[in-house]
Amino acid sequence: GENVEQHPSTLSVQEGDSAVIKCTYSDSASNYFPWYKQELGKGPQLIIDIRSNVGEKKDQRIAVTLNKTAKHFSLHITETQPEDSAVYFCAASRDDKIIFGKGTRLHILP
Amino acid sequence: SQTIHQWPATLVQPVGSPLSLECTVEGTSNPNLYWYRQAAGRGLQLLFYSIGIDQISSEVPQNLSASRPQDRQFILSSKKLLLSDSGFYLCAWSMVAGSTDTQYFGPGTRLTVL
Repeated sequence: GENVEQHPSTLSVQEGDSAVIKCTYSDSASNYFPWYKQELGKGPQLIIDIRSNVGEKKDQRIAVTLNKTAKHFSLHITETQPEDSAVYFCAASRDDKIIFGKGTRLHILP
Repeated sequence: SQTIHQWPATLVQPVGSPLSLECTVEGTSNPNLYWYRQAAGRGLQLLFYSIGIDQISSEVPQNLSASRPQDRQFILSSKKLLLSDSGFYLCAWSMVAGSTDTQYFGPGTRLTVL
């Protein structure tokens, strides 16, 4: 079955700098890759997603890249702000089965 | 637009007591529904998913059960809670059965078993 590895588990960046979170997946048939942001005490919220027919997608300060050959995808947050502090989850999906990474706790330092 | 509700938001229960958590979705028909558990500081563990009324698949054998008595209602239950059942329970829905689609999460229920 699918396995998703996410790194790092914790990331601290200075406010205004960029943050990068990386994920790898094992099932080459996975074709949908969402990213979720979870604030303390709340449910995860979808922030961006990418499908396997696209290599990169951007939404304001957030971008996701996908390398199907290497089976890895990354989340990039530029110009980080205090409200970006949260836990971020990547996921890989095929059909109706979605497998989540274990999460990255992002701290934005003042 | 679609919304998903969970209640209660928080719950403290003694070991051995029963459990019933409810999830409802508004604004869509025949959604896929999911129950996840999130232990403190950990990832998401899929417990159950449902593609229709009374159609439940269990991912992890344990003392929990799920039911879907109505199209947009999903219930997580237990007859006797264990300490290890403590966690953050999340309900999610997606639109199309059998195809890759986004899962949308509810606000969650924080369960503490004492």
